[in-house]
Amino acid sequence: KNQVEQSPQSLIILEGKNCTLQCNYTVSPFSNLRWYKQDTGRGPVSLTIMTFSENTKSNGRYTATLDADTKQSSLHITASQLSDSASYICVVSALWVRGSSASKIIFGSGTRLSIRP
Amino acid sequence: DVKVTQSSRYLVKRTGEKVFLECVQDMDHENMFWYRQDPGLGLRLIYFSYDVKMKEKGDIPEGYSVSREKKERFSLILESASTNQTSMYLCASSLEEGVEAFFGQGTRLTVV
Repeated sequence: KNQVEQSPQSLIILEGKNCTLQCNYTVSPFSNLRWYKQDTGRGPVSLTIMTFSENTKSNGRYTATLDADTKQSSLHITASQLSDSASYICVVSALWVRGSSASKIIFGSGTRLSIRP
Repeated sequence: DVKVTQSSRYLVKRTGEKVFLECVQDMDHENMFWYRQDPGLGLRLIYFSYDVKMKEKGDIPEGYSVSREKKERFSLILESASTNQTSMYLCASSLEEGVEAFFGQGTRLTVV
C-alpha cells in the first residue's frame, strides 16, 4: 500500500535554531517527492520537488534531501524565523498511467512547526 | 504569477442542501484536483480531471461529483450535504500529473 509518514507530528523550536523534518514513504513506482509549506487557513505552497536522481535541493533556508534507496526524505530549516511557523507536508507521486486506478499522489499528514521568539 | 482561485473562503450550509464549490485557474493547466483536508488525516483526493469533460475518482469520491465544462474551471458538487462533509476543501492544478501543483486558498465548509 502506498503510504507517506511524517515525523514528528509537531515541533516547537526557538527562533534562530535549525530543525529537520522527516518523511518516509512506500510509494511505488516512485516519480517525485515534494515538500509543501501550509500556513494556517491557507493552501499549501511548494518548497521543493525532487526526482529519483536528485538527492539534495535547496530553496533559501530550506534544504530537502532524498534517499531513494531507503525511501526517506528530510527537510532541513536553517536559522528559523517566526514566519516559518506552519505545517510542512511531504507529498510523493507515483508514476501515473492515465485511466488507471485512483490517486497516485500521496500526501503525508504533515508536521506542525511552531517557532517561538 | 500563477493563480488558483476558489469562489469562497468560508461557507455554511444546511444538511441536505446541494453545494457547489468553484475553482478557477489561469495557467492553462490540463490537470485539476479537489482535495479535502481534515486534522490528522492530511489531504485526501476526492476527484481529479486531466482534460475538459474528463474526470476520475480519487480516494474518497462518495457523496461528491464534479464538473469540468471549461479547461480553467473545475467544480465540486455535494449532492446532499451531510455533517461529515464539514472540512477544508482545496483545489489544485498542475501542468502534468505529479508535477508541481498549485493550490487555491481553500474553502472552509461547515455543514450544520
